[in-house]
Amino acid sequence: DVKVTQSSRYLVKRTGEKVFLECVQDMDHENMFWYRQDPGLGLRLIYFSYDVKMKEKGDIPEGYSVSREKKERFSLILESASTNQTSMYLCASSLLAANNEQFFGPGTRLTVL
Amino acid sequence: SQQGEEDPQALSIQEGENATMNCSYKTSINNLQWYRQNSGRGLVHLILIRSNEREKHSGRLRVTLDTSKKSSSLLITASRAADTASYFCATDANDYKLSFGAGTTVTVRA
Repeated sequence: DVKVTQSSRYLVKRTGEKVFLECVQDMDHENMFWYRQDPGLGLRLIYFSYDVKMKEKGDIPEGYSVSREKKERFSLILESASTNQTSMYLCASSLLAANNEQFFGPGTRLTVL
Repeated sequence: SQQGEEDPQALSIQEGENATMNCSYKTSINNLQWYRQNSGRGLVHLILIRSNEREKHSGRLRVTLDTSKKSSSLLITASRAADTASYFCATDANDYKLSFGAGTTVTVRA
């Protein structure tokens, strides 16, 4: 079974802090994604990556950056956390040449105070 | 951008009843997928239906797709307490990104 893990289930940070969210998948998937999920808004794509060191902006990249130095790991970085970044963050991965079924991690609930 | 929209936003049913939810989307798709999310967890893939398919079954799940109306429905038959979750449709167009709706929250009462 594909396993996608995220470094923390719950995280509390202060405004202005630099925040790292880590995601690791163990199935050699080429694609990796970061979403945020807010009530009533569904999942919104922040960034995605289709290969090591490659990244593309999603629908809401402002205030975020990403890093993909190894195929299995995709990190989301909040350079200076703000209260409006309080949200559930979900990581997902998928095979490049498949039907785009995505496999999700358990999520990180981030609170910025 | 959000392409799929689920309807209703919330659904409450008695155990053993069927639950039906709908998804509408705006642009042409290659396939449409349904995912389930239990409270506070990640999403789990349920079923995928391709644009040239009209109906698909998986266990107690039945999905239909009407590309002329740009809509899909998910039917859960003989619901159980464990079906309590949020259900999302997701569409893909011409790349490997998915566009998710806001979801339907289903509560199954014992």
